[in-house]
Amino acid sequence: QSALTQPASVSGSPGQSITISCTGTSSDVGSYNLVSWYQQHPGKAPKLMIYEVYKRPSGVSGRFSGSKSDNTASLTISGLQAEDEGDYYCCSYAGSGRGVFGGGTKLTVL
Amino acid sequence: EVQLVESGGGIVQPGGSLRLSCAASGFTFSTYWIHWVRQAPGKGLEWVSRVNSDGSSTIHADSVKGRFTISRDNPKNTVYLQMNSLRVEDTAVYYCARDSTEWELLFNMDVWGQGTTVTVSS
Repeated sequence: QSALTQPASVSGSPGQSITISCTGTSSDVGSYNLVSWYQQHPGKAPKLMIYEVYKRPSGVSGRFSGSKSDNTASLTISGLQAEDEGDYYCCSYAGSGRGVFGGGTKLTVL
Repeated sequence: EVQLVESGGGIVQPGGSLRLSCAASGFTFSTYWIHWVRQAPGKGLEWVSRVNSDGSSTIHADSVKGRFTISRDNPKNTVYLQMNSLRVEDTAVYYCARDSTEWELLFNMDVWGQGTTVTVSS
């Protein structure tokens, strides 16, 4: 199972919006609405930010949103804040009880 | 407080074995699927394995299949990862994580432990 494809890095200024893409195949992202997104700060455990493509856990800011089209899922962060800086990972169900993560995207808030 | 705490990491020689533990508290452990996810130094997350709520169904990533075994002991609220034939490339921080919805496998990992470090080196 190959990792999902994410851009290595994205950046934006405070207040701007950014979008991180996550490209898979028809065997994972394209087949299931089971895409989740995680935020990770250095030395910390990942934190669930979006699940089942677009749903937001309680306590996660409304500035985070998710979507999917065909084999590509996307995470959008609006109104960028300094605290949003970190690494972001997508994850998808890949069938047969298995999962697959993306390679990760480093978000820099300029 | 809902919590997962990993233990059992350490330094081991190539070809050696290690057993990781993931102790749960603050929720009804026996109704949730549990995953192991690892992160090599400076690298991204890699899904390793998962076990269903009663331990009857397990799956491992191809990279560890035949060498790692996930299991759980519900009366002890603990999940294990038995790692055999360890390789240098297994060096990583290993996290356990809970799937968010009782009885279901959704890959929504809503609770994570702090991680335990495994170093495979001669």
